[in-house]
Amino acid sequence: QLQLQESGPGLVKPSETLSLTCTVSGDSITNSNYYWAWIRQPPGKGLEWIGSISSSGRTFYNPSLKSRVTISLDTSKKQFSLKLTSVTAADTAVFFCSREEHSTSHYWGQGTLVTVSS
Amino acid sequence: QSALTQPPSASGSPGQSVTISCTGTSSDVHGYGYNYVSWYQQHPGKAPKLMIYEVNKRPSGVPDRFSGSKSANTASLTVSGLQAEDEADYYCSSHAGGNDPHVLFGGGTRLTVL
Repeated sequence: QLQLQESGPGLVKPSETLSLTCTVSGDSITNSNYYWAWIRQPPGKGLEWIGSISSSGRTFYNPSLKSRVTISLDTSKKQFSLKLTSVTAADTAVFFCSREEHSTSHYWGQGTLVTVSS
Repeated sequence: QSALTQPPSASGSPGQSVTISCTGTSSDVHGYGYNYVSWYQQHPGKAPKLMIYEVNKRPSGVPDRFSGSKSANTASLTVSGLQAEDEADYYCSSHAGGNDPHVLFGGGTRLTVL
């Protein structure tokens, strides 16, 4: 059974870089049928797709976040990562990682709350 | 890009049917070849759960009370035979195309079982 687990700091200072990692277990991260995605949800608000990466390293990003986002893949560790630069309070959210197929997230991590505050 | 448009709330009594709409544009929901519309259910404090994918397909384990459809630029989720546990937030999503492929979510609909 595929499982995804987000990890990273729960508190980031304004203007700094938010960094999160998603660890995949129960399946291969190199299957070319799937993409690995990040999605966030500000407290009390809706879901926002951040971006995704294929097993070959091809990336797709939300146009509104593209200038600040980098998603990378480490197949040896079965992990993929998110970096979001120049964060503000508006970036405070629960961040989810997921496995995508045809733009659909079939499997989700439990989510991790990241608060941007000094 | 703008989020897909969903009504903020919907409601129904146990046993009734409720339909939630999701309106997009020709660049996403109604895009050429794009049948990649999905629906997710989210209970408070939980991760979203996939209920419908590729417009009208149900993942294993999702009751057949949940069904999806699409007409032009509007997708719909219908929940038949409402049950108390169906009370949750529901989000639609769609592949959005063009030169910058990405995924769009709707703003979400809070479904209340009266």
